[in-house]
Amino acid sequence: DIQLTQSPSFLSASVGDRVTITCRASQGFSSYLAWYQLKPGKAPKLLIYSASTLQSGVPSRFSGSGSGTEFTLTISSLQPEDFATYYCQQLNSYPPTFGPGTKVDIE
Amino acid sequence: QVQLQQWGAGLLKPSETLSLTCAVYGGSFSIYYWSWIRQPPGKGLEWIGEFNRSGSTNYNPSLKNRVTISVDTSNNQFSLKLSSVTAADTAAYYCARGLSITLVRGTKLLGMDVWGKGTTVTVSS
Repeated sequence: DIQLTQSPSFLSASVGDRVTITCRASQGFSSYLAWYQLKPGKAPKLLIYSASTLQSGVPSRFSGSGSGTEFTLTISSLQPEDFATYYCQQLNSYPPTFGPGTKVDIE
Repeated sequence: QVQLQQWGAGLLKPSETLSLTCAVYGGSFSIYYWSWIRQPPGKGLEWIGEFNRSGSTNYNPSLKNRVTISVDTSNNQFSLKLSSVTAADTAAYYCARGLSITLVRGTKLLGMDVWGKGTTVTVSS
């Protein structure tokens, strides 16, 4: 299985901040990586797929990049509704695996 | 707009079989992947398995001997059964639709774009 790590595991930020979350893989692959946003009591929300493709309806302040073993999710200007936990997921090989998550909290 | 509505028993005893169903409303069934994912309390997400566009199933090896995903295409529903549950199977269970692309050698899952609201399953004696 491809193992994913995320850094940081927790970050405290303010509205308007630029936030970057990194996802690292135990083995390299091209672009089959997705990012999700989770809020308590709500279904996960797909933000990015294929490493950098913005899912329909997702604000353009979210962006993704990377390939190989390092991928990033960037929120260009953090909004109040963005405080949540973010997970990366690799879909390059089975089983699809998730990173451990990054919680973004209000500073 | 596509919606996934899921249901099933929320409280099980150890050794019982977990059974959940997910109905798909408002969209095509045959051109997507259909997956189950779970999240234990205080932990991250775990992919359980899928029914894919080719009509076959894939399961997480960590659960493979206990899990079955079946599909009822006539009613646009898919189901999860997990046998011999233990407290470690306590989790929120989600059904989800998978986006995919067609490649030369078949299709490739890209991500889960529509999710059910989740069912909390507790295993306790």
